[in-house]
Amino acid sequence: GAGVSQSPRYKVAKRGQDVALRCDPISGHVSLFWYQQALGQGPEFLTYFQNEAQLDKSGLPSDRFFAERPEGSVSTLKIQRTQQEDSAVYLCASSSRTTDNEQFFGPGTRLTVL
Amino acid sequence: SQQGEEDPQALSIQEGENATMNCSYKTSINNLQWYRQNSGRGLVHLILIRSNEREKHSGRLRVTLDTSKKSSSLLITASRAADTASYFCAGPMDSNYQLIWGAGTKLIIKP
Repeated sequence: GAGVSQSPRYKVAKRGQDVALRCDPISGHVSLFWYQQALGQGPEFLTYFQNEAQLDKSGLPSDRFFAERPEGSVSTLKIQRTQQEDSAVYLCASSSRTTDNEQFFGPGTRLTVL
Repeated sequence: SQQGEEDPQALSIQEGENATMNCSYKTSINNLQWYRQNSGRGLVHLILIRSNEREKHSGRLRVTLDTSKKSSSLLITASRAADTASYFCAGPMDSNYQLIWGAGTKLIIKP
């Protein structure tokens, strides 16, 4: 595809619901990143994949957050039992390199937990 | 935790003027990146400067890097209304892949 796509663009969930956010990276990009961005702040790193391997999940805020990239392309970020503090924009980025990485971002998914 | 800290937090200038934003960072880096974010286009990579470079140009953008002061600046010349956005600096941690971001400078260009 032409760029990184994410779906849905907007998600409203009731507290306690599970949500799944999808990221389609640029075809052939090895690296994939998930970030969480609160209003007025910069992105905060959540997790990193190199192909299908999740090499770093140190930024995931709790064990309610889970990410996968089973075939090394599409990735899903799942949040179980959502809480109000999970409300944020979730950004996905991909990169063709593993270091010195210019990252290409998707439009994000705005999650609102009521 | 934030690697970069942008200054000022907000900047409002007239169209045609130059805009300068600064970024200070905490740990040693091998490169520093600047990104722009607006509601229309999301986060877009602008320029990457390596630790052995002091200055880099791309169109109307000029980036400097002073590793001794752990600081960088982004200059946008002849600003346009379309430059209205938030600008972030980001630097990799030791892993070289994980970017740590500042809170951004919000730039408003007045017509």
